[in-house]
Amino acid sequence: DSGVTQTPKHLITATGQRVTLRCSPRSGDLSVYWYQQSLDQGLQFLIHYYNGEERAKGNILERFSAQQFPDLHSELNLSSLELGDSALYFCASSVRAASGEQFFGPGTRLTVL
Amino acid sequence: AQKITQTQPGMFVQEKEAVTLDCTYDTSDPSYGLFWYKQPSSGEMIFLIYQGSYDQQNATEGRYSLNFQKARKSANLVISASQLGDSAMYFCAMREDNNDMRFGAGTRLTVKP
Repeated sequence: DSGVTQTPKHLITATGQRVTLRCSPRSGDLSVYWYQQSLDQGLQFLIHYYNGEERAKGNILERFSAQQFPDLHSELNLSSLELGDSALYFCASSVRAASGEQFFGPGTRLTVL
Repeated sequence: AQKITQTQPGMFVQEKEAVTLDCTYDTSDPSYGLFWYKQPSSGEMIFLIYQGSYDQQNATEGRYSLNFQKARKSANLVISASQLGDSAMYFCAMREDNNDMRFGAGTRLTVKP
């Protein structure tokens, strides 16, 4: 158990809908990262928050947004969902913003029908 | 540009033998970190081992060791005394300072009894 929690574990929804994925980092970790893992794209970095502020954006679509709250938990919002958004979404956390290992949550498997 | 290359899509090893999973990387940054993660069929991403670019010695963690050859820009993972539970996908990743982590495509390791 990495100490990072993600809910829900599975999510099934329809095209055009909006969903919210939630992540709680390890105790003491200030950085939260979101990744998307799909069969065709592999593991892709989406976005990084450090202590409530956005630090970096990766391959994140405009339909997707995220935020980190004062208690350091984070939410990833996916809207106008398409079939291609079906993937495993990971949250990871680390102590530092610029270096060091990241510890991953168990992931949320999103299926868009 | 692809910064992390794992050339072995799949590998087989006999139980109790050692196996090396290859990883090469590309960076012009003198300061960076190299990581290996394991992803079993259950889906979670498990941090295995870390090597800093300035570390003089190769990292080791139990049965895992990282064969770091800086001049060749390679960071191969060596698993000694393979066990059936080692069967999984293995991802190499790199993080340059103040940048975010990038992952290779992964190697699927199968341990044969």
